Amino acid sequence: DTGVSQDPRHKITKRGQNVTFRCDPISEHNRLYWYRQTLGQGPEFLTYFQNEAQLEKSRLLSDRFSAERPKGSFSTLEIQRTEQGDSAMYLCASSPGTGSFSPNEKLFFGSGTQLSVL
Amino acid sequence: DAKTTQPNSMESNEEEPVHLPCNHSTISGTDYIHWYRQLPSQGPEYVIHGLTSNVNNRMASLAIAEDRKSSTLILHRATLRDAAVYYCILLTGNKLVFGAGTILRVKS
Repeated sequence: DTGVSQDPRHKITKRGQNVTFRCDPISEHNRLYWYRQTLGQGPEFLTYFQNEAQLEKSRLLSDRFSAERPKGSFSTLEIQRTEQGDSAMYLCASSPGTGSFSPNEKLFFGSGTQLSVL
Repeated sequence: DAKTTQPNSMESNEEEPVHLPCNHSTISGTDYIHWYRQLPSQGPEYVIHGLTSNVNNRMASLAIAEDRKSSTLILHRATLRDAAVYYCILLTGNKLVFGAGTILRVKS
């Protein structure tokens, strides 16, 4: 068990470019979450998947953002036409839960992808 | 989502106990109290959680007030490696909603 893996760790891009991040959850974890964190703030929820189904999306997830989890394993988060306001740490988390969310459920986070938009 | 209130920052001496408070006056009867912490340059990690009774694990203890409107995370002997942002979260629905947390500084 190597934990949640995110790639790349750092990404610098120019405004207007598209970027894609990858998250590999812990093996056999059914739920996968994406969060965004800006400096000095706690992580903000973006979206989550139960296996391959995207079950909830935050209003923060504008139409420039899209997330996929095609086979219920790894996930990608794509940002199109990046803006300077997209600069943040993008965190992925996974949990083994199935069905209804259990109050005892724990999320396991990766180390994140730091995006800088110039 | 139910809200929590935490001090912005706290400071502790190494090897001493640390009590991190959290107020959650609007907590409902079924809300679990979760604590996560975030070390520098890392994602958050689970610390402890509880509903009504006090809880202990290898990392910390969680003391929950009788009326459940507040709770305290207790680190029994702070080390330099405990310096982190600590988040108190009420788990409702199907996701964790983080506030700004408490920055814990540990002095040697």
